[in-house]
Amino acid sequence: EAGVAQSPRYKIIEKRQSVAFWCNPISGHATLYWYQQILGQGPKLLIQFQNNGVVDDSQLPKDRFSAERLKGVDSTLKIQPAKLEDSAVYLCASSFGQGILNYGYTFGSGTRLTVV
Amino acid sequence: LAKITQPISMDSYEGQEVNITCSHNNIATNDYITWYQQFPSQGPRFIIQGYKTKVTNEVASLFIPADRKSSTLSLPRVSLSDTAVYYCLVGDPNTGNQFYFGTGTSLTVIP
Repeated sequence: EAGVAQSPRYKIIEKRQSVAFWCNPISGHATLYWYQQILGQGPKLLIQFQNNGVVDDSQLPKDRFSAERLKGVDSTLKIQPAKLEDSAVYLCASSFGQGILNYGYTFGSGTRLTVV
Repeated sequence: LAKITQPISMDSYEGQEVNITCSHNNIATNDYITWYQQFPSQGPRFIIQGYKTKVTNEVASLFIPADRKSSTLSLPRVSLSDTAVYYCLVGDPNTGNQFYFGTGTSLTVIP
């Protein structure tokens, strides 16, 4: 089965610019997650979708970050305007149900964002 | 929210068994322990999950004592390709969003 697809693979932008990341989860996976991983740290959950509804966005900096999952499949994460501290890898993951019993999340390879 | 403590780094020679311990003193009744492996430039990959006692699959074993306040990931006969960061997560799998990654344990396998 195809994995979680993410694009672009790399992105370099100047601070105060905007950027968008795209994720296509595994077919049939209802739950989609966006994580931020800063160099040397573990991934931090930004937002979780169940189908096209938001389950948890408590750690999403809503003044500059936004995410949507139209039609319950693909998702887009946007940053506007970007700050230097947003430099990180943005990981998308999906799971079959809301829970991750037995099989866990399946992660994409991520988008590495560098803000200069 | 379970506070998780793991060693920051470990070294091991090829062919040895590696045990990585995770401390989670305030684990909740419904929480499971899940371990992920992450290689550079890749997303984390699920290794194993358990609730109590011992769980074994084709790549690892997970040992959880009766009090569940710690757990040990055991990797048998490691090879150079097992060099990676290993994360211990604790949370309720029925909600999904309750799993938090710590800083992980960086394992280096030496030839």
